[in-house]
Amino acid sequence: DVKVTQSSRYLVKRTGEKVFLECVQDMDHENMFWYRQDPGLGLRLIYFSYDVKMKEKGDIPEGYSVSREKKERFSLILESASTNQTSMYLCATRDRAIPGRAFFGQGTRLTVV
Amino acid sequence: AQSVTQPDIHITVSEGASLELRCNYSYGATPYLFWYVQSPGQGLQLLLKYFSGDTLVQGIKGFEAEFKRSQSSFNLRKPSVHWSDAAEYFCAVGAGAGTASKLTFGTGTRLQVTL
Repeated sequence: DVKVTQSSRYLVKRTGEKVFLECVQDMDHENMFWYRQDPGLGLRLIYFSYDVKMKEKGDIPEGYSVSREKKERFSLILESASTNQTSMYLCATRDRAIPGRAFFGQGTRLTVV
Repeated sequence: AQSVTQPDIHITVSEGASLELRCNYSYGATPYLFWYVQSPGQGLQLLLKYFSGDTLVQGIKGFEAEFKRSQSSFNLRKPSVHWSDAAEYFCAVGAGAGTASKLTFGTGTRLQVTL
């Protein structure tokens, strides 16, 4: 089965810090995604990548950037963390050839203090 | 742009009762539709999906959903709810393959089951 691994389950960072959230998948999927999940707002797409070094903005990219240097790894970067970025962050992958389901990691709960 | 609306934020049903969770979507072509469930402290699990063909799709855990193009709906149903079904449910629409492959989610419906 597909495995999507997020490097941390819980993170606490200070305002202004640069934060890296890492996601690794083992199924050679071309498409990878970063979502944030907030109560009452569901999952909102931050960025996605459809190939190495390729990226597209999602619905809420402000304050975030991403990096995809290798196919299996997709990083989300908070250049200067703010308290309104406290949230659950979910990484997902999807096979480009088959418009099938997305596979999700367990999530990283980030708290910015 | 694609979008998904789940009009019910919170639903409470008694164990053994039937369930219907509503989902309406907006998409310019034939949509790929999904229902996911998230149990407390757990990741998202796919319940079922619709790509084409039969408009009534069966999923895991006894769930089914019906695609109605005329109503732009993809409602989730279960004939008899179990206490373990208490969770948050998300409807999603996918834009297909390639660069336009993003999934857009609704805001979710939290299901509470009373004994």
